Amino acid sequence: AQRVTQPEKLLSVFKGAPVELKCNYSYSGSPELFWYVQYSRQRLQLLLRHISRESIKGFTADLNKGETSFHLKKPFAQEEDSAMYYCALSADNYGQNFVFGPGTRLSVLP
Amino acid sequence: GAVVSQHPSRVICKSGTSVKIECRSLDFQATTMFWYRQFPKQSLMLMATSNEGSKATYEQGVEKDKFLINHASLTLSTLTVTSAHPEDSSFYICSAVDRLKETQYFGPGTRLLVL
Repeated sequence: AQRVTQPEKLLSVFKGAPVELKCNYSYSGSPELFWYVQYSRQRLQLLLRHISRESIKGFTADLNKGETSFHLKKPFAQEEDSAMYYCALSADNYGQNFVFGPGTRLSVLP
Repeated sequence: GAVVSQHPSRVICKSGTSVKIECRSLDFQATTMFWYRQFPKQSLMLMATSNEGSKATYEQGVEKDKFLINHASLTLSTLTVTSAHPEDSSFYICSAVDRLKETQYFGPGTRLLVL
């Protein structure tokens, strides 16, 4: 079965510091991995996905199949980055088996 | 950008009544929509996959007779919580897939409180 883990429930960093939100997954095939962000009182938004290899709002994430990880990174955190971040896996290109991790709340301190 | 709406945003009902939640894609056609449930301090849990013109596919442990899903058109899916009980109180979120853009968009969610 597919599974996504995010070991940190809460991550606090100071403004300007690097940030890394960890995500590990278990899946026997070739998954699609995503990061979603939910700002306070707003809906979930797609932040990025591994197939597009984009950098959104300064965030990047590299799929490491050997370590089954898809950690989200940003070199210099901003206060507006404070939000809930969910790592998600899709085994069927937006079909079934879309699994979310438990989420990590990022708090960027001034 | 693409928008998905949900109605109502908040509903309070008595135990034993049924509640219908609508999910609409406003500027794209969605052959596939998903329904999620979010418990407090927990992650989203996929309840079912709604496919236009066919029966929904439910995840293990989700009662299909309790959570009725109808995807009657390419822009509308409804979730009906039948004979609601207090334990059904939760935050229900839908999402819709824009296959042309290969992107999933989430609705704002519906908070259900069953008294």
